[in-house]
Amino acid sequence: QQQVKQSPQSLIVQKGGISIINCAYENTAFDYFPWYQQFPGKGPALLIAIRPDVSEKKEGRFTISFNKSAKQFSLHIMDSQPGDSATYFCAASNSGSARQLTFGSGTQLTVLP
Amino acid sequence: EPEVTQTPSHQVTQMGQEVILRCVPISNHLYFYWYRQILGQKVEFLVSFYNNEISEKSEIFDDQFSVERPDGSNFTLKIRSTKLEDSAMYFCASHRAYEQYFGPGTRLTVT
Repeated sequence: QQQVKQSPQSLIVQKGGISIINCAYENTAFDYFPWYQQFPGKGPALLIAIRPDVSEKKEGRFTISFNKSAKQFSLHIMDSQPGDSATYFCAASNSGSARQLTFGSGTQLTVLP
Repeated sequence: EPEVTQTPSHQVTQMGQEVILRCVPISNHLYFYWYRQILGQKVEFLVSFYNNEISEKSEIFDDQFSVERPDGSNFTLKIRSTKLEDSAMYFCASHRAYEQYFGPGTRLTVT
């Protein structure tokens, strides 16, 4: 019940295209859903996050869509650029615990020039 | 912009040896965490620390692991007797409200 399932495992997109990564969770106590971007050999960097009181959050080219009833959330990267090529992790936490993050398995995004 | 720092960036040790991984969280943050990531896998929670004590720990965080905040700035993870399977990237993270910020990690290699 603590798992966060992420898909796809890998994604190849042309420059300028839209990248979409999906996550699903079971634990209804989760109330915070961040996305992290990780480059090889680096730590995860917080990209964007959402709380379940809104269905969408947009920051620049990055948008999170959140569906509370389906227990799913997704990351959309508009106008994808080669510099966006990285591994993306969704995560979730709940305020009833110590706020530790439960991570998805990651999506390796490659944006072709 | 404040950031989480970690030292060393790479630690090589022999099986059975003790290692201490060090972190300096962001200064006004209150919650501190250690996570690990085995090569090619997802990031896994190890332990959280708040108000000078462990608040949660995972099944991975057994008696071989300990954490300490010896002064007002450092946060350490000690592995008493390293095993081959402890080889991984270890990330420190901290937060004040919701957003957790991660350090660059320490790559631990146990030979």
